[in-house]
Amino acid sequence: QVQLQESGPGLVKPSQTLSLTCTVSGGSISSGSYYWSWIRQPAGKGLEWIGRIYTSGSTNYNPSLKSRVTISVDTSKNQFSLKLSSVTAADTAVYYCARDVKYYDILTGWGGTDAFDIWGQGTMVTVSS
Amino acid sequence: QSALTQPASVSGSPGQSITISCTGTSSDVGSYNLVSWYQQHPGKAPKLMIYEVSKRPSGVSNRFSGSKSGNTASLTISGLQAEDEADYYCCSYAGSSTLKVFGGGTKLTVL
Repeated sequence: QVQLQESGPGLVKPSQTLSLTCTVSGGSISSGSYYWSWIRQPAGKGLEWIGRIYTSGSTNYNPSLKSRVTISVDTSKNQFSLKLSSVTAADTAVYYCARDVKYYDILTGWGGTDAFDIWGQGTMVTVSS
Repeated sequence: QSALTQPASVSGSPGQSITISCTGTSSDVGSYNLVSWYQQHPGKAPKLMIYEVSKRPSGVSNRFSGSKSGNTASLTISGLQAEDEADYYCCSYAGSSTLKVFGGGTKLTVL
């Protein structure tokens, strides 16, 4: 079955760029049925959607983070990546990658996104000098 | 402050039923039948329990059910079991600009 695994540095200095990679195994990231998202969770707090990418490279970002976020995809490696620039202590969190199911209403022709059906185990990133 | 409003905590005894609400707006929950619910045990990744308001993924117990009325979605867990004790989060599609919004989470305690 499909599995997701996050990887990257666990410690990032303030003002630097946080970089994480999510490796997809057991399935192809090029499947047209899914988007690939990043979600984060500060300790003791709720979930925050960061952004997503489609196999074509098309991206969408949370408006509150848009100016600092870049998500990219490498289909040859079956990976997608997150870069978050100018980090502060407020960016300290567990970062998850997740598969986001596309939704399409065949009757109306409307499309959107459904649920995050598969998640990585998460990786803790601390922003500190 | 989360976009969707959930109670901070709910509790129930084994065998009982509980309901967790998730209140949004006409821009998210009220406009789309794309509400999902996630269960998260401490130190673990969230797990999808309900999608498209009321559908259960394969393998999820039929004790979990979802519904929606207006701008409020609800998750009901019947026949509470000890292993249901966890945090629960709702999430809704919120249109082509914002895309996805989460609730602040609800801690379920099984007494």
